[in-house]
Amino acid sequence: EVQLLESGGGLVQPGGSLRLSCATSGFTFDTFAMSWVRQAPGKGLDWVSSISGGGGNRYYADSVRGRFTISRDNSKNTLYLQMNSLRADDTAIYYCAKAVRGYYYYMDVWGTGTTVTVSS
Amino acid sequence: DIQLTQSPSFLSASVGDRVTITCRASQATSSFLAWYQQKPGKAPKLLIYATSTLHSGVPSRFSGSGSGTEFTLTISSLQPEDFATYYCQQQIFGPGTKVDIK
Repeated sequence: EVQLLESGGGLVQPGGSLRLSCATSGFTFDTFAMSWVRQAPGKGLDWVSSISGGGGNRYYADSVRGRFTISRDNSKNTLYLQMNSLRADDTAIYYCAKAVRGYYYYMDVWGTGTTVTVSS
Repeated sequence: DIQLTQSPSFLSASVGDRVTITCRASQATSSFLAWYQQKPGKAPKLLIYATSTLHSGVPSRFSGSGSGTEFTLTISSLQPEDFATYYCQQQIFGPGTKVDIK
């Protein structure tokens, strides 16, 4: 069974940093693109970033480019999101998601999410 | 940047109804489209990708079509478990359509 488990969320002050992790199992991690998607309280889905299976290609939403960095450790089957210069509007549930084989952005398996709250 | 809009934003329907949700892109693109279903407090579920490919395990009452700037999700006969919010996606997501019980 494919499983994704996010961790690393929490309360952080504006301007602070957090590193999210997504531990995966049940599939050949390095052959699938992975993504982070967030959802602010009461709002819709917001694509954040995606990374290719090998890690060589990375894509970011305009709202996070230059502040967030997506990465992966294929030896540990783990996806990461380094978030710097956090702002109040980054407050959200952050989901990691696995892509459909052969695609970047179609996400067929999702984690349960980790909550990030940016507040003083 | 391409923007996605969905219509309607809210839909009230009855069990057994045929339901169609439209997603429009701000500019024509060769990119395909995905549709997701999300229920309160849960992660989204993939329904359709590449515009019309039904994801494994998704009931056949769900179908997708479209091209260019206009795409549709159709539920042929709405079931009680289908009341949820639906999102289209082409890298970014549309704003969502909430389907509620009439």
